[in-house]
Amino acid sequence: DIQMTQSPSSLSASVGDRVTITCRAGQSISTYLNWYQQKPGKAPNLLIYAASSLQSGVPSRFSGSGSGTDFTLTISSLQPEDFATYYCQQSFSARSFGQGTKVEIK
Amino acid sequence: EVQLVESGGGLVQQGGSLSLSCTASGFTFSNYWMSWVRQAPGKALEWVGNIKHDGSEKYYVDSVKGRFTMSRDNAKNSLYLQMNSLRVDDTAVYYCARDRPLGSYSHYTLDVWGQGTTVTVFS
Repeated sequence: DIQMTQSPSSLSASVGDRVTITCRAGQSISTYLNWYQQKPGKAPNLLIYAASSLQSGVPSRFSGSGSGTDFTLTISSLQPEDFATYYCQQSFSARSFGQGTKVEIK
Repeated sequence: EVQLVESGGGLVQQGGSLSLSCTASGFTFSNYWMSWVRQAPGKALEWVGNIKHDGSEKYYVDSVKGRFTMSRDNAKNSLYLQMNSLRVDDTAVYYCARDRPLGSYSHYTLDVWGQGTTVTVFS
């Protein structure tokens, strides 16, 4: 199984801030990396696939980068509706998720 | 509208069994891999396993191998998860999700999710 490690586990930020979340894979996964947003009591929602491709309907303030073992999700200007938990997930070998990053209001 | 609806969750004693269902609508179910993902209370998402379009291939996370079995009935647009020998740590919300390739190199994503069904295992 491929271990996915996110950092930080949580962060506090203000509306308008630039936010960066990091995900590291236990082995190289090329760009087989997806990002999801989950709000309390709701199912996850796909944001980014193939490390850097924006899913249809997702605001352009979300972006992803990276390849190999190190990946980043960036929110360029945090909006009130972006306070949520974010997960990375690899699809290189089976599937596995990171432990999540909770973005909270400062 | 593309939709997945899970059912079958409930309360079960440790060592017991439970069967979950997921009914798809709004897309050609038989064209897609499908996954089960679970989330224990206050914890991260955990991929449980997935099943190929025709049911000929199935993959599971180590923690459920030998206890959980996925199946599907494409004529009924339905996905199933048979859970046996349940443990307290199987307590979670169980989601089904469409496991779809996107992009030039078939990067698989979980692009459609159900609302989840809750399984509680007590001792």
